[in-house]
Amino acid sequence: KQEVTQIPAALSVPEGENLVLNCSFTDSAIYNLQWFRQDPGKGLTSLLLIQSSQREQTSGRLNASLDKSSGRSTLYIAASQPGDSATYLCAPKSNQFYFGTGTSLTVIP
Amino acid sequence: GAGVSQSPRYKVAKRGQDVALRCDPISGHVSLFWYQQALGQGPEFLTYFQNEAQLDKSGLPSDRFFAERPEGSVSTLKIQRTQQEDSAVYLCASSLGAGGETQYFGPGTRLLVL
Repeated sequence: KQEVTQIPAALSVPEGENLVLNCSFTDSAIYNLQWFRQDPGKGLTSLLLIQSSQREQTSGRLNASLDKSSGRSTLYIAASQPGDSATYLCAPKSNQFYFGTGTSLTVIP
Repeated sequence: GAGVSQSPRYKVAKRGQDVALRCDPISGHVSLFWYQQALGQGPEFLTYFQNEAQLDKSGLPSDRFFAERPEGSVSTLKIQRTQQEDSAVYLCASSLGAGGETQYFGPGTRLLVL
């Protein structure tokens, strides 16, 4: 079974900082990897999906990279804003999507 | 268009009761997924439908859990004889095709078993 680890578990930064969230997974035989954000009491919102053949994907201030062979992905958030405060989850897909426990991000105004 | 909707949003059940949770996926989406999310954890896969066919139910924790999608659109997750450990948020997601495309999640149903 795929094991997904996200580090750090929680992160608090002042507004404007750039930050990196880390995700590692044990089974490198994945089709793709998706990053989500989850606001308290809400469902998940997809941020970026990286296919296994890709190295990175960008959307606005977000950039996700994938190193499939080493079982790692990172989510880079540029110029963080208070509205970015949420839990960020990564989910590599092998036979199904497996989720990490997430990184809880707080951006302080 | 409308996103994925789930009902009810909150459900309180007495231990031993049966519950039924509904998911309305995005219209035309072939794939539908159910996940269970315990407090402070990431979602855990329960089951997957491609149209009306349940292709993977390996994540269902016991035979008290049953899911169906009879017409390939709306899906129902049923939990029989609920136990306290069933308390969690149940999330439904859909995706357009049968592959690993982006999943779109509903807001979830928060189940509390007393």
